[in-house]
Amino acid sequence: GNSVTQMEGPVTLSEEAFLTINCTYTATGYPSLFWYVQYPGEGLQLLLKATKADDKGSNKGFEATYRKETTSFHLEKGSVQVSDSAVYFCALSGTSYGKLTFGQGTILTVHP
Amino acid sequence: DADVTQTPRNRITKTGKRIMLECSQTKGHDRMYWYRQDPGLGLRLIYYSFDVKDINKGEISDGYSVSRQAQAKFSLSLESAIPNQTALYFCATSESPGTGFSYNEQFFGPGTRLTVL
Repeated sequence: GNSVTQMEGPVTLSEEAFLTINCTYTATGYPSLFWYVQYPGEGLQLLLKATKADDKGSNKGFEATYRKETTSFHLEKGSVQVSDSAVYFCALSGTSYGKLTFGQGTILTVHP
Repeated sequence: DADVTQTPRNRITKTGKRIMLECSQTKGHDRMYWYRQDPGLGLRLIYYSFDVKDINKGEISDGYSVSRQAQAKFSLSLESAIPNQTALYFCATSESPGTGFSYNEQFFGPGTRLTVL
């Protein structure tokens, strides 16, 4: 079956540091890939997505590239802010009913 | 007003009690989902519904039941709550995908934190 593995957290950074959160997946066929973000006390929000190999999703300074050869979708941001502190989930959808398979989530804390 | 609402936001109950979590949406979406979130496990799908008459089990449906009362309402019930059902529960909605697409964005409610003592 499908699965998603995220790097172990939590991740703690200083403001303006570079961020990478690794995500690898196992799936048959050609899944769509997503990053969701969960701010404290809130539900999940879609951060970015990519629907085919070599696509780059981007939003709010975050980027991730769909790498089929390495089955990866790593999240990056060049300069994080305190307001980026949240839990980040990598997810994939490979079925017709749109079921999302989530990674375990990575807690990011950014200090001033 | 929020597009996807969940009630209650927090609930503490005792083992063996019946409890219902409710979800309402104003997005006009056909598809609705219930997930539970546990620390270190991400979100796992409990049930999903494509429309009022189409309800399906997800990967962890044991101990849960659902009701789709209308397009906009999807309730999750725990018939006899047990402590390992303590978790954060999320409702989500999405449009039906167009031809050639397998997925549309899912929109999540704020979650219900359930504690079973």
